[in-house]
Amino acid sequence: SAVISQKPSRDICQRGTSLTIQCQVDSQVTMMFWYRQQPGQSLTLIATANQGSEATYESGFVIDKFPISRPNLTFSTLTVSNMSPEDSSIYLCSVSSRLTDTQYFGPGTRLTVL
Amino acid sequence: AQTVTQSQPEMSVQEAETVTLSCTYDTSESDYYLFWYKQPPSRQMILVIRQEAYKQQNATENRFSVNFQKAAKSFSLKISDSQLGDAAMYFCAYRSARSRNNRKLIWGLGTSLAVNP
Repeated sequence: SAVISQKPSRDICQRGTSLTIQCQVDSQVTMMFWYRQQPGQSLTLIATANQGSEATYESGFVIDKFPISRPNLTFSTLTVSNMSPEDSSIYLCSVSSRLTDTQYFGPGTRLTVL
Repeated sequence: AQTVTQSQPEMSVQEAETVTLSCTYDTSESDYYLFWYKQPPSRQMILVIRQEAYKQQNATENRFSVNFQKAAKSFSLKISDSQLGDAAMYFCAYRSARSRNNRKLIWGLGTSLAVNP
């Protein structure tokens, strides 16, 4: 499976600011995804990061709040904009390739918004 | 729409014993994938086991095995010889095989497993 890293691993931010989370994978992958996991809950898909085009967002998530970039096949960023305490969550990226139908996850970013 | 149900919010097992975590799902599709993921306190989501719906044989990975009952839409995870390191939240997930471009996972709410020494 691919080795996936995320930066930062955790952060504490002030209300109204923005945070950009990076996801790096050690091999070229077809699909990259961003998830949110609120405390004590399951995972919710935010969007699919598409290389060279705009991300595909799930219902309830918008580009203005969660802009995503994917400049190449091994890297993506998720920005959480104009943060509020309700954005306090774990944010995870995952990847899959044409060779596998399985998603593999990064270590996650724990975000706390004060 | 597909759904995944994990009816056991919490489970516990004695070290070295066997435990079974249940998962049921609802779908009208015939071709799909099922997964069990483990999330320890470190929060890393780790793939435990994977099952293709077209395969009748139950998947096995070392001490982890599944009981896949396609007609009953059931996909339980059995952990044998439980170890302290197995303590984690376990999530069951479903993915349609209909489109290679749609790899969205449908998640259950998770089962928290405690392993008692």
